[in-house]
Amino acid sequence: AQKITQTQPGMFVQEKEAVTLDCTYDTSDQSYGLFWYKQPSSGEMIFLIYQGSYDEQNATEGRYSLNFQKARKSANLVISASQLGDSAMYFCAMREASILTGGGNKLTFGTGTQLKVEL
Amino acid sequence: DVKVTQSSRYLVKRTGEKVFLECVQDMDHENMFWYRQDPGLGLRLIYFSYDVKMKEKGDIPEGYSVSREKKERFSLILESASTNQTSMYLCASSLRQGIFSETQYFGPGTRLLVL
Repeated sequence: AQKITQTQPGMFVQEKEAVTLDCTYDTSDQSYGLFWYKQPSSGEMIFLIYQGSYDEQNATEGRYSLNFQKARKSANLVISASQLGDSAMYFCAMREASILTGGGNKLTFGTGTQLKVEL
Repeated sequence: DVKVTQSSRYLVKRTGEKVFLECVQDMDHENMFWYRQDPGLGLRLIYFSYDVKMKEKGDIPEGYSVSREKKERFSLILESASTNQTSMYLCASSLRQGIFSETQYFGPGTRLLVL
């Protein structure tokens, strides 16, 4: 089974509107962390936001927020007030406690969602 | 700012050639990683290192080897390049182990084409 599933290969959104990018995960660990990264066409991965499994509040960073639903094992990224510069590939990733030590802080990535923001 | 640099943005090699991809980070990070990125497959971990001269296999190590002789430098080696190794290669680093929220910092990537 896939550890991280991103079911939307591509998404379109109008400028200034909000968009939700889906991410579901699969782990038997109680402790884990979830990350979202942005990859513009230039190629470099940019860290956006982090959510810990024990965090009670949903993480927010500026226009980015993470809709964390632990029971459903989902960690959707919400981008508010989309801008043309948000057009990029977005990746969800997970770090699990069972591989935290001695594992070099490994991350498991999803397959990504290509977001295009239109005028 | 953390900076992770990769020796080449684009590389074209012939089948059977030995290929070196170099990655350097300037923030004294303990951990370094090599991923390959293919459309529809996301990022897959090839190898990682949590200390000088230490290395561990990731999810797809076959056909690759790595070297970490200095803390700041992590090299990916394709001993005999094959066409199925045509891909985007991303290097990353992170400060230390044991921190859940520790993000990885990525280099700009190397697009490798093997003919």
